[in-house]
Amino acid sequence: QKEVEQNSGPLSVPEGAIASLNCTYSDRVSQSFFWYRQYSGKSPELIMSIYSNGDKEDGRFTAQLNKASQYVSLLIRDSQPSDSATYLCAVNMAAGNKLTFGGGTRVLVKP
Amino acid sequence: KAGVTQTPRYLIKTRGQQVTLSCSPISGHRSVSWYQQTPGQGLQFLFEYFSETQRNKGNFPGRFSGRQFSNSRSEMNVSTLELGDSALYLCASSLVSGALIGELFFGEGSRLTVL
Repeated sequence: QKEVEQNSGPLSVPEGAIASLNCTYSDRVSQSFFWYRQYSGKSPELIMSIYSNGDKEDGRFTAQLNKASQYVSLLIRDSQPSDSATYLCAVNMAAGNKLTFGGGTRVLVKP
Repeated sequence: KAGVTQTPRYLIKTRGQQVTLSCSPISGHRSVSWYQQTPGQGLQFLFEYFSETQRNKGNFPGRFSGRQFSNSRSEMNVSTLELGDSALYLCASSLVSGALIGELFFGEGSRLTVL
């Protein structure tokens, strides 16, 4: 089992729709969770961080965390073509004290 | 504020050679992490340095090594290059290390091709 798992996609959504991305992790004691966006040919950039159970909203992005289910998700509302990218889930694995990334979900927003 | 700077951006080496990559973190950041990114394996953690000390290391062979200088600049070295070492090597800086690490700022990467 991979430490951080994501569906590789591509997740195709029409412009204006909600894109829903999921991530599961194996380390039950993990405390910090992050979403990074990586455009093709570019380096990852942080878009959201979440540390407590529940929802955290930032503009069109909402991160959701459920530690009991070891599940973190990202919602992108009113998706735009500029949101087309690979979204990487990252978890600070307490056991290893390092940031571990999932394989990423490729999102395609079609006009 | 200048971002994370990595040099060189592109390089081509042959099997058996060695390579040194450099990373200058954001001013004031004392933590530097290195990642290898390949299409098949994604982002794989190599190691993290904080205040010149290696704090953590990933599951890579001893051919991969690194160091950090007093000005927080970091280098990583790969010796006896193999074809499978072809990848994008990303450096990321952070204000903090340890349990809070996660808010990383990445450089543009050094793309290594091994022939």
